[in-house]
Amino acid sequence: DADVTQTPRNRITKTGKRIMLECSQTKGHDRMYWYRQDPGLGLRLIYYSFDVKDINKGEISDGYSVSRQAQAKFSLSLESAIPNQTALYFCATSDLQQGPRETQYFGPGTRLLVL
Amino acid sequence: AQSVTQLDSQVPVFEEAPVELRCNYSSSVSVYLFWYVQYPNQGLQLLLKYLSGSTLVKGINGFEAEFNKSQTSFHLRKPSVHISDTAEYFCAVSGFISYGGSQGNLIFGKGTKLSVKP
Repeated sequence: DADVTQTPRNRITKTGKRIMLECSQTKGHDRMYWYRQDPGLGLRLIYYSFDVKDINKGEISDGYSVSRQAQAKFSLSLESAIPNQTALYFCATSDLQQGPRETQYFGPGTRLLVL
Repeated sequence: AQSVTQLDSQVPVFEEAPVELRCNYSSSVSVYLFWYVQYPNQGLQLLLKYLSGSTLVKGINGFEAEFNKSQTSFHLRKPSVHISDTAEYFCAVSGFISYGGSQGNLIFGKGTKLSVKP
């Protein structure tokens, strides 16, 4: 089984709808991240969490919110989806012990289309 | 602020030819450098990383990268590519990064698409 899973893998929604993307991990890592990938722009950090009680905004947090329900689960919500949030979304995890030396482990991604 | 520049957005190359994917970074603090690879329809996975010590780093699938502090570069190389190396490659830097007062982690370049042709 995959260490980092994301659901759904693909989602089509309409402008103004609220949607949630979910991420689960079995690696036992404390740190979890949400990124979005746009063609030609690379990956940009939306939110990150260093433990269940620690949530931090990343580079592009506007229009998004997150919830760390447990060490293994980190959800990303779009409160009112808009077309420019159409992107590929990745969840990632890393080990707290390594700090900035850490390798990040990525899920397979969720492809979101906002009409 | 730290940043990463990948100088080529696309690199076409023939099978068995050598390849170099270029990455330059800027930082006022010590950094750790990474190369990640994304195969079609998959998530990213670590190819190699430089933390300290030898400036030549070897990774998976025959790739290697050289850290050059004076030129602030971390170019990725492979002496002979295969069709299966077709993917997008991301250079990333890790350090103490602030986003409006918060502390972040990895900063990614915009990616280089390597296309290996027979």
